[in-house]
Amino acid sequence: GNSVTQMEGPVTLSEEAFLTINCTYTATGYPSLFWYVQYPGEGLQLLLKATKADDKGSNKGFEATYRKETTSFHLEKGSVQVSDSAVYFCALISQGGTYKYIFGTGTRLKVLA
Amino acid sequence: EAGVVQSPRYKIIEKKQPVAFWCNPISGHNTLYWYRQNLGQGPELLIRYENEEAVDDSQLPKDRFSAERLKGVDSTLKIQPAELGDSAVYLCASSKAGDTQYFGPGTRLTVL
Repeated sequence: GNSVTQMEGPVTLSEEAFLTINCTYTATGYPSLFWYVQYPGEGLQLLLKATKADDKGSNKGFEATYRKETTSFHLEKGSVQVSDSAVYFCALISQGGTYKYIFGTGTRLKVLA
Repeated sequence: EAGVVQSPRYKIIEKKQPVAFWCNPISGHNTLYWYRQNLGQGPELLIRYENEEAVDDSQLPKDRFSAERLKGVDSTLKIQPAELGDSAVYLCASSKAGDTQYFGPGTRLTVL
């Protein structure tokens, strides 16, 4: 079945460091891929998405490229801020009529001043 | 545009008591989802509605969980009776069919 695997956290970085959070997936067909962010005490917010191979999603300095050949959708940011501290979830949505979201387990990011 | 609204935000009950959560989706979104998120985990789908029809409830523990979406807008998720293992955050999300899902802030349930 479909699945999403994320790197385990927590990831602890200093402010202005480069961020990579790895995400790989298993799916039949051509899923759409998403990154959601969850700040403490809040629901999930869509960060970015990509709907086909080689698409790059970007938002708020974050970006991720849909790599079909490696079945990956790694999240990157060139310079993190303390306000980026949150839990990041990679997700895919299966196509073919079910539109079922599959989430990874989340990666907690801590950015230190 | 208003986002997905959920209430209450927090609920503490004793085991064996009933509890209900309410969700108002984004206007125009015909698809509504209920998820359960355990501590340190990603959300897991409980039920998905297309308008007023439950089209995927395969993960809903039907012995104690029930949901309804009368008139295809607001939805209520109920647990009766609650068990200790039901402690989690219950998230509601909505979307236009097949499109990006938008999440509410969730209801944090603690069962004592």
